[in-house]
Amino acid sequence: DQQVKQNSPSLSVQEGRISILNCDYTNSMFDYFLWYKKYPAEGPTFLISISSIKDKNEDGRFTVFLNKSAKHLSLHIVPSQPGDSAVYFCAASERGGSEKLVFGKGTKLTVNP
Amino acid sequence: DVKVTQSSRYLVKRTGEKVFLECVQDMDHENMFWYRQDPGLGLRLIYFSYDVKMKEKGDIPEGYSVSREKKERFSLILESASTNQTSMYLCASPSNTEAFFGQGTRLTVV
Repeated sequence: DQQVKQNSPSLSVQEGRISILNCDYTNSMFDYFLWYKKYPAEGPTFLISISSIKDKNEDGRFTVFLNKSAKHLSLHIVPSQPGDSAVYFCAASERGGSEKLVFGKGTKLTVNP
Repeated sequence: DVKVTQSSRYLVKRTGEKVFLECVQDMDHENMFWYRQDPGLGLRLIYFSYDVKMKEKGDIPEGYSVSREKKERFSLILESASTNQTSMYLCASPSNTEAFFGQGTRLTVV
């Protein structure tokens, strides 16, 4: 049973516009959520995280929103740049960032110039 | 600069071979993990370790074992490689806020 779901395998946006990547989870014990970016043939790179005590976290062009009642989080990238083209993974853990992470299947973002 | 280093970027092994994937972290972290990434399946946890000599099975441990003799090193072992173990293997070492990943090992079993 998939505990973390990214239902959109791919997303295409124009440079300068907003990219919104979505993630749903089923395990109510998850209390920490992260987004990773991955280029082909490289390891994932951490982007941003959010604890369940918050509903929003911002870091530069990246903002993560958490809706605990809906068990839904989203990553907003504004403005999108061609270098943002990559696969984005949503991940969750039950006891903070040092515990094992459960990953979604990923969304491939393409930002067109 | 924190580092998780995997010993090989690319490996090609034959079916039935015993394969060792090595991972070293320089952050003095207690926890280390091994994941594999396959297209359309995301990252799946194979094994993890919370301390030296300790190991626990993840979601897909079949066909794998691990070794953690020293805090900084976590090895993944494919006892008898099979073609369905062709994949990208990723080692991770988490802090309290994020998991740091190695660059990955692309393993092809022929």
